[in-house]
Amino acid sequence: NAGVTQTPKFQVLKTGQSMTLQCAQDMNHEYMSWYRQDPGMGLRLIHYSVGAGITDQGEVPNGYNVSRSTTEDFPLRLLSAAPSQTSVYFCASSSPDRVGNTIYFGEGSWLTVV
Amino acid sequence: AQSVTQPDIHITVSEGASLELRCNYSYGATPYLFWYVQSPGQGLQLLLKYFSGDTLVQGIKGFEAEFKRSQSSFNLRKPSVHWSDAAEYFCAVGSGGSYIPTFGRGTSLIVHP
Repeated sequence: NAGVTQTPKFQVLKTGQSMTLQCAQDMNHEYMSWYRQDPGMGLRLIHYSVGAGITDQGEVPNGYNVSRSTTEDFPLRLLSAAPSQTSVYFCASSSPDRVGNTIYFGEGSWLTVV
Repeated sequence: AQSVTQPDIHITVSEGASLELRCNYSYGATPYLFWYVQSPGQGLQLLLKYFSGDTLVQGIKGFEAEFKRSQSSFNLRKPSVHWSDAAEYFCAVGSGGSYIPTFGRGTSLIVHP
């Protein structure tokens, strides 16, 4: 039972480089989202998707791009990495049920931009 | 818009002592409420959730939380803390119309032996 799988777990980028964080879920969840976690800031929503072909911005979308071509995958692209994007990134998926949208998280991707 | 406040950034307790972590939310209707725990270097694990019914919710690892509508609170409690409970705890609020819950900034729990 894989759940939510994120890759890579660790990455170091140079300023200006681009990269893609991969996220896949095998629970057939409609909703997927990306958060970043910074000390003292909790989890802040970057982008989210409520189904294949549908994405929307969260609280801190600038500098990031997403697409949702399949139900399973929700990659996060950093277009031109900046030191301010050094953070821990979490992908999550959920599905509406009678107890609300319980979110299942990946294990995180630690990104350092130098 | 919904919001969550966790007023305590850090909480320090002795092993075996009781614990209460505070969470206050802002939302017009009946919310869905969650507590997640994050151990160092790990992802987030759901401890418990509330959506309706009994206002006292039991979760995993001996945790419980009580929904108090009059106080807009959903505080997390544990009667006796273990050293392995040291972690970051996040409260989150959602709604029937909100696809993605909103998270608080977290409370870091430190457990002294």
